[in-house]
Amino acid sequence: EAQVTQNPRYLITVTGKKLTVTCSQNMNHEYMSWYRQDPGLGLRQIYYSMNVEVTDKGDVPEGYKVSRKEKRNFPLILESPSPNQTSLYFCASSFGQGPRRTEAFFGQGTRLTVV
Amino acid sequence: GNSVTQMEGPVTLSEEAFLTINCTYTATGYPSLFWYVQYPGEGLQLLLKATKADDKGSNKGFEATYRKETTSFHLEKGSVQVSDSAVYFCALSPSNDYKLSFGAGTTVTVRA
Repeated sequence: EAQVTQNPRYLITVTGKKLTVTCSQNMNHEYMSWYRQDPGLGLRQIYYSMNVEVTDKGDVPEGYKVSRKEKRNFPLILESPSPNQTSLYFCASSFGQGPRRTEAFFGQGTRLTVV
Repeated sequence: GNSVTQMEGPVTLSEEAFLTINCTYTATGYPSLFWYVQYPGEGLQLLLKATKADDKGSNKGFEATYRKETTSFHLEKGSVQVSDSAVYFCALSPSNDYKLSFGAGTTVTVRA
């Protein structure tokens, strides 16, 4: 079954304690990205990757890091989480550009609370 | 830059009512347009898409037509069900880029 798997689904942490949210896809997609979803703001892109070892900032990258050492995995790292990073996070993957673009497949989401 | 504006919610309807959610976009060139749906507690999933002007996307009784002259991609369904209660997102992807830009989302609640 084609899927994007994120872990954990729920996480409560304290300010400053480093954490990693994992994301894995089994569709051999080249493009992966991370979004955060906040009420009234929709989904905003944090970071994206067009292939292995190729990553770039999205619209709201401050306070986040990513890596893409393998095609299937794209972890999101918060080195020093702060309360304003409390949000719902989604990982997504897709293939191609323009009319050839496949739909984006999304993970189930990670609800992060930083206290 | 690229942006998507969709009508604010929440929208509350009775079963079998007509639903329309407005979406307009700003983009250069000819982007692909999408509607994604998010059911409670789940991730987003593609509802329908259109890749060129005058294309009509349809799925599960929902329809949207790519109108380049009005830069719009309004979502419609003629008779909603309780199971259509969800958050709906309009999105675009430029023709020469991978990125998806989303609207703010519209929460729809259908009452029996």
